[in-house]
Amino acid sequence: GENVEQHPSTLSVQEGDSAVIKCTYSDSASNYFPWYKQELGKRPQLIIDIRSNVGEKKDQRIAVTLNKTAKHFSLHITETQPEDSAVYFCATRGGGATNKLIFGTGTLLAVQP
Amino acid sequence: DAGVIQSPRHEVTEMGQEVTLRCKPISGHDYLFWYRQTMMRGLELLIYFNNNVPIDDSGMPEDRFSAKMPNASFSTLKIQPSEPRDSAVYFCASRLVGPGELFFGEGSRLTVL
Repeated sequence: GENVEQHPSTLSVQEGDSAVIKCTYSDSASNYFPWYKQELGKRPQLIIDIRSNVGEKKDQRIAVTLNKTAKHFSLHITETQPEDSAVYFCATRGGGATNKLIFGTGTLLAVQP
Repeated sequence: DAGVIQSPRHEVTEMGQEVTLRCKPISGHDYLFWYRQTMMRGLELLIYFNNNVPIDDSGMPEDRFSAKMPNASFSTLKIQPSEPRDSAVYFCASRLVGPGELFFGEGSRLTVL
């Protein structure tokens, strides 16, 4: 079945630095790649997504890049702030008739002030 | 809309007891998903429904777990009998048709003693 690997599992950066989280997937038919942020004790919430016909998307300090040939995509956060501290999950939706979202194992990002 | 509503928010029960978790999706959403979150396994998809019909239950751990969606505004996830290893946060999520945002409820934290 579909498999999504996410690295690193934990990431600590200084405030103002950039953070990069990477995911690889196995289903070459995957066509939708969202990223979710989960603060401690809260629900996961969508922060950015990208579709398979786009290579890069940016929204203020966050950006996502997609390499369909290599089957990996990445989340980039620039000018990190303490409020960026959370667990980040990548996800993929397979191709064909499937509508299920498979999540990576998560990255705990800690932004040190 | 109030978003996806789950109940109870917290449940503590003893091994062997029946547990029922409830979910009200966002009105008009076509898809409903049940996920389980643990430290060890991350966010696991258990089952999802399209227009009240179960589409994929391959993630349901075993026969002790069952899920129903009797109408468009209500779903239940039942565990009978419960075991300590079922302790987790169970999230319900819903979305419209298409590759759109998945909206999560606040989760039901289950502790089985």
